[in-house]
Amino acid sequence: SAVISQKPSRDICQRGTSLTIQCQVDSQVTMMFWYRQQPGQSLTLIATANQGSEATYESGFVIDKFPISRPNLTFSTLTVSNMSPEDSSIYLCSVDSSSQETQYFGPGTRLLVL
Amino acid sequence: QKEVEQDPGPLSVPEGAIVSLNCTYSNSAFQYFMWYRQYSRKGPELLMYTYSSGNKEDGRFTAQVDKSSKYISLFIRDSQPSDSATYLCAISVGGAQKLVFGQGTRLTINP
Repeated sequence: SAVISQKPSRDICQRGTSLTIQCQVDSQVTMMFWYRQQPGQSLTLIATANQGSEATYESGFVIDKFPISRPNLTFSTLTVSNMSPEDSSIYLCSVDSSSQETQYFGPGTRLLVL
Repeated sequence: QKEVEQDPGPLSVPEGAIVSLNCTYSNSAFQYFMWYRQYSRKGPELLMYTYSSGNKEDGRFTAQVDKSSKYISLFIRDSQPSDSATYLCAISVGGAQKLVFGQGTRLTINP
């Protein structure tokens, strides 16, 4: 399985600011995804990061709030913009497996917004 | 109605017991079924995945899918304290496409 790293691992931010989360994979992958896991909740897909084109967002998530970049096949960033306390969550990056039958997850970024 | 239903627990069993974790889903278009284990403050770790009805075994873990009933299960044999974690089922229409997660079941194995 791919080895996935995320930076930062955690952060505490002030409301109104923005944070960019990085996701790095040790091998080229076709698909990269960003999820949110709110406290005590399950995972919700934010968007699919597409290499060379705009990300595909799920219902309830918009590009202005969660801009995503995917400059190559091993790297993606998610920005959480104009943060409010409701954005306090774990943000997880995932990638598709080589068989494209499942996904592997990174360790997550724990975000607390004050 | 949620697309995937999973009892959040918590579930507490003695060491050595057989654990049964379950999910139900509503859309017959779902074809790929996965189980993830998530330790506290960690990302989800893929345990097993399958795309067919029937059983799939990997060591102490067995995944079972019944598409006719839209019911999936994960069995853990000879449970160990190190199995204490939250277990999430996830399903998709097309493999690594959009995953829909259950709420997760928090499991504790007591020594």
